Amino acid sequence: QSALTQPASVSGSPGQSITISCTGTNSDVGGHNYVSWYQHHPGKAPKLMIYDVSNRPSGVSNRFSGSKSGNTASLTISGLQAEDEADYYCSSYTGSSTWVFGGGTKLTVL
Amino acid sequence: QVQLQESGPGLVKPSGTLSLTCAVSGGSISSSNWWTWVRQPPGKGLEWIGEIYHSGSANYNPSLMSRVTISVDKSKNQFSLKVTSVTAADTAVYYCASRGEYYCTGGECHLQYYFDYWGQGTLVTVSS
Repeated sequence: QSALTQPASVSGSPGQSITISCTGTNSDVGGHNYVSWYQHHPGKAPKLMIYDVSNRPSGVSNRFSGSKSGNTASLTISGLQAEDEADYYCSSYTGSSTWVFGGGTKLTVL
Repeated sequence: QVQLQESGPGLVKPSGTLSLTCAVSGGSISSSNWWTWVRQPPGKGLEWIGEIYHSGSANYNPSLMSRVTISVDKSKNQFSLKVTSVTAADTAVYYCASRGEYYCTGGECHLQYYFDYWGQGTLVTVSS
């Protein structure tokens, strides 16, 4: 199984919106509605931000939203804040009790 | 609230065996969770290694399956990872995480396909 494809970096100014894409195949992203997104500040534990494509866990800001079209999932962060600067990873169930992650996207808040 | 803490040697020699342990606190290793290992090589993305249930049932990344073993120690409330025949390519930050068997919301329960608890990770370097 190959890693999901994410842009290496994205950036935006405070208050703006950004979208991070996550492209897979019919076997993972396109074949299951089990895409999740994680925020990772280096040196800390990754944090779940979105699960099952578009669901937000309790406690996660509604500025974070997820969607999927075909083999590509997306994470959108609206009203960018300085604290959103982090690495973001997508993950998808691939079937047969295995998972695959994306290569990660570094978000810079300008 | 489950908390996970990785521990183990930070340096392993090539061709040797990498061994890590993840201590579980705030919950029982025998609860309805899959206990997972994920790694991140320097400058690269996350890679799912595998997972185990308290019953001993395990699932592995096909690309690593021949070298990886995950086990559970109920008496110590922890689970472990072993990777044999390591090379420099196994140098990475290793994370333990957990995935519930199911979650319930709005009166309905669904199988869980995401990782909700993570450790902070531990760096393992493979070098002579």
